[in-house]
Amino acid sequence: GQNIDQPTEMTATEGAIVQINCTYQTSGFNGLFWYQQHAGEAPTFLSYNVLDGLEEKGRFSSFLSRSKGYSYLLLKELQMKDSASYLCAVRDLNSGAGSYQLTFGKGTKLSVIP
Amino acid sequence: SAVISQKPSRDICQRGTSLTIQCQVDSQVTMMFWYRQQPGQSLTLIATANQGSEATYESGFVIDKFPISRPNLTFSTLTVSNMSPEDSSIYLCSHSGNEQFFGPGTRLTVL
Repeated sequence: GQNIDQPTEMTATEGAIVQINCTYQTSGFNGLFWYQQHAGEAPTFLSYNVLDGLEEKGRFSSFLSRSKGYSYLLLKELQMKDSASYLCAVRDLNSGAGSYQLTFGKGTKLSVIP
Repeated sequence: SAVISQKPSRDICQRGTSLTIQCQVDSQVTMMFWYRQQPGQSLTLIATANQGSEATYESGFVIDKFPISRPNLTFSTLTVSNMSPEDSSIYLCSHSGNEQFFGPGTRLTVL
């Protein structure tokens, strides 16, 4: 099974930088995903890491260390619209289904304040 | 990436009834998945929808309660049967791929 941990809530100031951490324990690792979810909406794909290192995409960056079972999502130049839940998800092999599947952390609720 | 649509987008249903949710992908995909997100919770996988064979259900979910169809590589349905208020959730369809995307979700409220 999987064990995915991320902070429950974070607060940051508009214009600042915030780092949301995610640790995981799993077997058959096949990638780590970050999603953004605004209240009442479906999750929106942000990033996918399968190799160690940093992936940068505009204001958002995601880092992965497979040996440490650790990832973070970095949000720069925070805007009020970034207030949302951020979900860390690990993809690994579901031997029962014979396919790779995502398991989600509980999400981090980020509040951006003026 | 394949675009996913779902319908209905939302529904309000009476206890004891059933609702079928449709998921359409605009290109052929190997695997499709159904997730549930209960209020204030994260996403939980219900089952993997396999084309040409029975769906594979996760622990805590059974076919009688959540029958799934996958008639081809672009379409799947999830039925929530004999509903109770505890089934009030957002139901999300997803497909496999390097970048795994979700449909817009179906918000179900059971009275």
